[in-house]
Amino acid sequence: AQTVTQSQPEMSVQEAETVTLSCTYDTSESDYYLFWYKQPPSRQMILVIRQEAYKQQNATENRFSVNFQKAAKSFSLKISDSQLGDAAMYFCALETSGSRLTFGEGTQLTVNP
Amino acid sequence: NAGVTQTPKFRVLKTGQSMTLLCAQDMNHEYMYWYRQDPGMGLRLIHYSVGEGTTAKGEVPDGYNVSRLKKQNFLLGLESAAPSQTSVYFCASSYSAGIYGYTFGSGTRLTVV
Repeated sequence: AQTVTQSQPEMSVQEAETVTLSCTYDTSESDYYLFWYKQPPSRQMILVIRQEAYKQQNATENRFSVNFQKAAKSFSLKISDSQLGDAAMYFCALETSGSRLTFGEGTQLTVNP
Repeated sequence: NAGVTQTPKFRVLKTGQSMTLLCAQDMNHEYMYWYRQDPGMGLRLIHYSVGEGTTAKGEVPDGYNVSRLKKQNFLLGLESAAPSQTSVYFCASSYSAGIYGYTFGSGTRLTVV
């Protein structure tokens, strides 16, 4: 069975600053995908970034980047130059060969002006 | 706009009533999923389908049934609603495991009284 753990229920950051959200996971498989999803108050789930486990290079999407540590089973999300629109619930998710996403508990991010 | 459409968006049921949630996607995706979201628990998989005519149980299937008679539609049924089924329900679809991520509907908020 796969598990995903987000140990930070809430985080806050000042506008224009950098924040890192933590995620750890557990799987016995060697081939898998990791994702970060954003859920604003509108409730819509928005894909932020994805990482293939076989790739050593960390994924980057504009102000969003990940620190993927495969041996430690860690997948943190860094948001640079935080904006008010980044305020949302963030979910870390894992997909293995079963083609199903397993989600973490979520981290509520607040961006202070 | 192409994507995943869920109906209804809100519903209030009395204990013991039945209802069906409809999910429709127009992206020709093979895989479809039903998740429930509860505070502090992230999203949990109820049932999923890897193709037309197929269904499988997820993490929390009890009390729910599903059908996928057409590739574009995935129905979630509650035969006898219970207060424990009060939740936000999300449908999602994907073309292939992992590579493209998942597309989510906007959710259905269900309250069972």
